[in-house]
Amino acid sequence: NAGVTQTPKFRILKIGQSMTLQCTQDMNHNYMYWYRQDPGMGLKLIYYSVGAGITDKGEVPNGYNVSRSTTEDFPLRLELAAPSQTSVYFCASSPGGGNTEAFFGQGTRLTVV
Amino acid sequence: AQSVTQPDIHITVSEGASLELRCNYSYGATPYLFWYVQSPGQGLQLLLKYFSGDTLVQGIKGFEAEFKRSQSSFNLRKPSVHWSDAAEYFCAVVAYSSASKIIFGSGTRLSIRP
Repeated sequence: NAGVTQTPKFRILKIGQSMTLQCTQDMNHNYMYWYRQDPGMGLKLIYYSVGAGITDKGEVPNGYNVSRSTTEDFPLRLELAAPSQTSVYFCASSPGGGNTEAFFGQGTRLTVV
Repeated sequence: AQSVTQPDIHITVSEGASLELRCNYSYGATPYLFWYVQSPGQGLQLLLKYFSGDTLVQGIKGFEAEFKRSQSSFNLRKPSVHWSDAAEYFCAVVAYSSASKIIFGSGTRLSIRP
């Protein structure tokens, strides 16, 4: 039972490079989320999606893009990496409806140098 | 917009002692409330949740939390902590009006003194 799978687990980027963080879930959840976690700041919502083809901005969307072409996949794109994007990124999914649990991936640790 | 405040950044308690982690939320109505735990290098795991009914909710690993509407609080408690409880704890809120957005507090890091 895989749950939410994120790849890669670690990545070092140079300033200005681009990359895509992959996230896939096998629970047929409609809702998916991307968060970034910085020390002492908790988790900040970057983007979320309530279903295939529907995405919306969260608290800190600048510098990121997302797409949701299938229920299973929700990739996060960094176009021009900046040192401020050094963080740990978590993808999560939930069945939706507000009172339901979110399931998290193991995280991607990204360093921009 | 809803928000969550966890006023304690880091708490240290002795093994076997009781624990209370504070969480205050800001929202005009009763939100859905959650506590998650994060072990080092791991993702988040749900401890418990509240969305209606009894204001004292039980969770996994012996944790409980009490919803107090008058204080806009949802504090997490455990009668006797174990060394394995050392982790980071996050309170989260989902608003009825925006049921798709989960907003997290800044977290409280719990250390256990032997």
